[in-house]
Amino acid sequence: QKEVEQNSGPLSVPEGAIASLNCTYSDRGSQSFFWYRQYSGKSPELIMFIYSNGDKEDGRFTAQLNKASQYVSLLIRDSQPSDSATYLCAVTGTASKLTFGTGTRLQVTL
Amino acid sequence: GAVVSQHPSRVICKSGTSVKIECRSLDFQATTMFWYRQFPKQSLMLMATSNEGSKATYEQGVEKDKFLINHASLTLSTLTVASAHPEDSSFYICSVGGHDTDTQYFGPGTRLTVL
Repeated sequence: QKEVEQNSGPLSVPEGAIASLNCTYSDRGSQSFFWYRQYSGKSPELIMFIYSNGDKEDGRFTAQLNKASQYVSLLIRDSQPSDSATYLCAVTGTASKLTFGTGTRLQVTL
Repeated sequence: GAVVSQHPSRVICKSGTSVKIECRSLDFQATTMFWYRQFPKQSLMLMATSNEGSKATYEQGVEKDKFLINHASLTLSTLTVASAHPEDSSFYICSVGGHDTDTQYFGPGTRLTVL
């Protein structure tokens, strides 16, 4: 079982719609959860982090964490073509090491 | 967040050449830096944790004699790929941890191509 799992996609949504990206993790002791965006050929860029159960909103982005279900998601409202990228879920366990999922490729269509 | 630079951004070399990649934390002193590698269409894999003034901690399966890490100052860590071979061709990315958090901020990456 992979430590951090994501659907590879591509997830295709029309411009203006809500994109929902999901991630599950296996280590119940995980403390911190991150979403990074990675454009093709570029390095990851931090979008959001979340530590506590519930929702955390930042502009068009909302991260949702459910530790009981070992599930974290990212919602992108009013999706734009510029949001088209691969979204990486990352989780920290011991020693602040980040474990990444394989990423979900999002395509926002006109 | 932290501002991180890497140099060079791209390098092409012949097999057997050693390649040095620099990672700099530009706006704060980083006692810990991380080195990742990413192959095409795969996720980031942590190679090693670089600790200022001490030896790096390598992940399982990463050869420390092949990937030499030096973290001589609080703003600079270097990764040297010794005697690079075509299978070492990859995207190498460093990151810096934020103050008092688990958040990591990534450098722009170095794309290594070994012919």
